Amino acid sequence: AQKITQTQPGMFVQEKEAVTLDCTYDTSDPSYGLFWYKQPSSGEMIFLIYQGSYDQQNATEGRYSLNFQKARKSANLVISASQLGDSAMYFCAMREGNYGGSQGNLIFGKGTKLSVKP
Amino acid sequence: NAGVTQTPKFRILKIGQSMTLQCTQDMNHNYMYWYRQDPGMGLKLIYYSVGAGITDKGEVPNGYNVSRSTTEDFPLRLELAAPSQTSVYFCASSPPLGLGANTEAFFGQGTRLTVV
Repeated sequence: AQKITQTQPGMFVQEKEAVTLDCTYDTSDPSYGLFWYKQPSSGEMIFLIYQGSYDQQNATEGRYSLNFQKARKSANLVISASQLGDSAMYFCAMREGNYGGSQGNLIFGKGTKLSVKP
Repeated sequence: NAGVTQTPKFRILKIGQSMTLQCTQDMNHNYMYWYRQDPGMGLKLIYYSVGAGITDKGEVPNGYNVSRSTTEDFPLRLELAAPSQTSVYFCASSPPLGLGANTEAFFGQGTRLTVV
């Protein structure tokens, strides 16, 4: 079974509008971390935001926020005020055993391609 | 501050050839990883290391080997290249885990490998 599911292969958003990229995860480990990475067309992986499973508040980093719904096992990325430079692939990832005791690797979803229209 | 450095950035191999993808990090991270990314897919773990002298297989290790003789370096060896190994390869590192801190993985720029 997939551990990270991103159901939107592609999304379009108008410049300056907000967009939500969906991510659901599956784990029985109570200690995990959730990450979002951006991959522009140049190919590098850029870290955006992190949410720990025990964090009480939703993470925010500038225009990025993570809508963490633990009971539903979802960790959606919200980008506010979209910019043309936000056009990229976005990957949701999970690390099980994030509080220690694991090999630390990230498990990735298949990604969502976001296109921002002017 | 170089972070994670991968070489080469691009490479074309013929079927049956071998090569080593180099990866070095200057952040003194214990954990290092090799991932591959096939078109339209997420990243899949090939091998990982939790410290010098310790390596283990990930999800897709067949056709690859690794070594970790120092904290800084984690080369990936392809033996007898096959077309199925055409992919983009990423090396990454992260600090030790614990206490729920944000321990993001830092990625290299990637190596685009084509096997023909």
